[in-house]
Amino acid sequence: SQTIHQWPATLVQPVGSPLSLECTVEGTSNPNLYWYRQAAGRGLQLLFYSVGIGQISSEVPQNLSASRPQDRQFILSSKKLLLSDSGFYLCACPLGRLLDSPLHFGNGTRLTVT
Amino acid sequence: ELKVEQNPLFLSMQEGKNYTIYCNYSTTSDRLYWYRQDPGKSLESLFVLLSNGAVKQEGRLMASLDTKARLSTLHITAAVHDLSATYFCAVDFTGTYKYIFGTGTRLKVLA
Repeated sequence: SQTIHQWPATLVQPVGSPLSLECTVEGTSNPNLYWYRQAAGRGLQLLFYSVGIGQISSEVPQNLSASRPQDRQFILSSKKLLLSDSGFYLCACPLGRLLDSPLHFGNGTRLTVT
Repeated sequence: ELKVEQNPLFLSMQEGKNYTIYCNYSTTSDRLYWYRQDPGKSLESLFVLLSNGAVKQEGRLMASLDTKARLSTLHITAAVHDLSATYFCAVDFTGTYKYIFGTGTRLKVLA
């Protein structure tokens, strides 16, 4: 079964600073990968998804970007953080290789922009 | 537009009572998922519903799917405090790779 590693678990960054969040997956190859953001007390917003190395689809571009440099690595970045970037960032991939697989989530990174 | 809506957003109920959470979605899909999220934690998969009329049950929770009405329900029977959490439905829309989540229902079961 897949294991999703996310780090760091918590992060406090000042406005205008850069951001890099990393997600790596074990136990599968060439998975579809997803980044979601959850603002405090809110639902999950799909930010990016990737169906292969170097392939990124953006749902909410704003000041965030994503990259997939390796098969099981997905990186979320920003050059300059905004206060509105605060939230709980979750990386996910389907639990199996069938089309009907639910998403499996990492433990998330809680980002506070001050 | 791909939309998933849940109601209610908040639900406070007494132990032992029954209630239903509703999930509506905007366009064709045969795959719907329910998740649970405890405060400060990530999401945990509860149910996978793959076809019209599908029904899944686990303990005091039962989920169903009506693809013609684009509606799924999560029914809670004889609620207990341990069920307090936020519940999300998510839809994997046909022809896309996107999993779109509902707004979530924050459930609080009072002793």
